[in-house]
Amino acid sequence: ETGVTQTPRHLVMGMTNKKSLKCEQHLGHNAMYWYKQSAKKPLELMFVYNFKEQTENNSVPSRFSPECPNSSHLFLHLHTLQPEDSALYLCASSQRDRVGNTEAFFGQGTRLTVV
Amino acid sequence: TQLLEQSPQFLSIQEGENLTVYCNSSSVFSSLQWYRQEPGEGPVLLVTVVTGGEVKKLKRLTFQFGDARKDSSLHITAAQPGDTGLYLCAGGIQGAQKLVFGQGTRLTINP
Repeated sequence: ETGVTQTPRHLVMGMTNKKSLKCEQHLGHNAMYWYKQSAKKPLELMFVYNFKEQTENNSVPSRFSPECPNSSHLFLHLHTLQPEDSALYLCASSQRDRVGNTEAFFGQGTRLTVV
Repeated sequence: TQLLEQSPQFLSIQEGENLTVYCNSSSVFSSLQWYRQEPGEGPVLLVTVVTGGEVKKLKRLTFQFGDARKDSSLHITAAQPGDTGLYLCAGGIQGAQKLVFGQGTRLTINP
């Protein structure tokens, strides 16, 4: 298997549920990301991990909790979400090139609906 | 905060026509990527441009990076229904391994 794989593809959860999104990259990259994509909004960067260390948290509410056990796996733990959290959640990975440029490779996303 | 503005946000044209999509910013980026995203899928990288004034071609798609590395354009010649999708530009930030995305251009090519 190659590329970036996300599971599940679709998730419906109640506001009191706890669920987790999983992402796995098979590209040997050193950085992984969570993005949120809502209708009519640009892709919003949520979290960045470099070599398993979180290097960015873009003021994301604590009801979203990331976990990066190694450079190939990334999780997003969800609890007590709100309906406005419904969106497509995208995982991506990247490897900085020799001159410092970044190209992101995305998974297919998890379509999350909070009811 | 570095922002990228894409225009137009929506474009619907007939098969065979040409079109240009723009990506503009007041900030300088170290690189500029273009992605295409289809419904229910993640964005797929089309091209990366890194040098001011650089032009890259991918079949009927021509990408240009502005001389000052603040803007970019995507030109499609003889558009086909298979070109339909959401086109996203993303700017690389010097010294940070992350990208800033524009809001996208939703392109529809009608047969």
